[in-house]
Amino acid sequence: DADVTQTPRNRITKTGKRIMLECSQTKGHDRMYWYRQDPGLGLRLIYYSFDVKDINKGEISDGYSVSRQAQAKFSLSLESAIPNQTALYFCATSQGSTDTQYFGPGTRLTVL
Amino acid sequence: AQSVTQLDSHVSVSEGTPVLLRCNYSSSYSPSLFWYVQHPNKGLQLLLKYTSAATLVKGINGFEAEFKKSETSFHLTKPSAHMSDAAEYFCVVSGTFDYKLSFGAGTTVTVRA
Repeated sequence: DADVTQTPRNRITKTGKRIMLECSQTKGHDRMYWYRQDPGLGLRLIYYSFDVKDINKGEISDGYSVSRQAQAKFSLSLESAIPNQTALYFCATSQGSTDTQYFGPGTRLTVL
Repeated sequence: AQSVTQLDSHVSVSEGTPVLLRCNYSSSYSPSLFWYVQHPNKGLQLLLKYTSAATLVKGINGFEAEFKKSETSFHLTKPSAHMSDAAEYFCVVSGTFDYKLSFGAGTTVTVRA
């Protein structure tokens, strides 16, 4: 969905490096989410934010941090990347009164 | 807590034949259920959503799903597969109070010419 953009789309980095993935949306939604996708596991929630001042851990937050810079921007950081963080990362948005989420195109991250 | 189980990790069909993707859910309350599709190197696209208004839900691209409470199932069907249906499909359930989504492991659909 072009209303939710993610940068970069692909990234290769080395173990121990800090990396930031960025998500922007023009849908005007208040809620934003970060997921990772691994083969055979579906998508798992890393962090979510219901508004700029509300940040919550998901089921697999260890090794990650987030920043909600504005209603439209939600960044995911890996402070010290490790190989098992190699995955496809998705950002999603939703409007508070509904549970339908809209996904960005994904960022493919490889940690060597 | 809610969860979904997709009963097939891979489904292969011939073009023009029916497609059936099976999903069972677990939820303490009346759930919202979704099917999303992911084409290769693309993000997830919403196919359809069930919210208790009607048990048979019609989605985009000719897909539909039927909610069966007695069987705790939400199977996705399409009468006639097209080559463009080759993708990965996710069954998803929403938490009643927090709207967090729980994803199934996914079903990969291959369409043979």
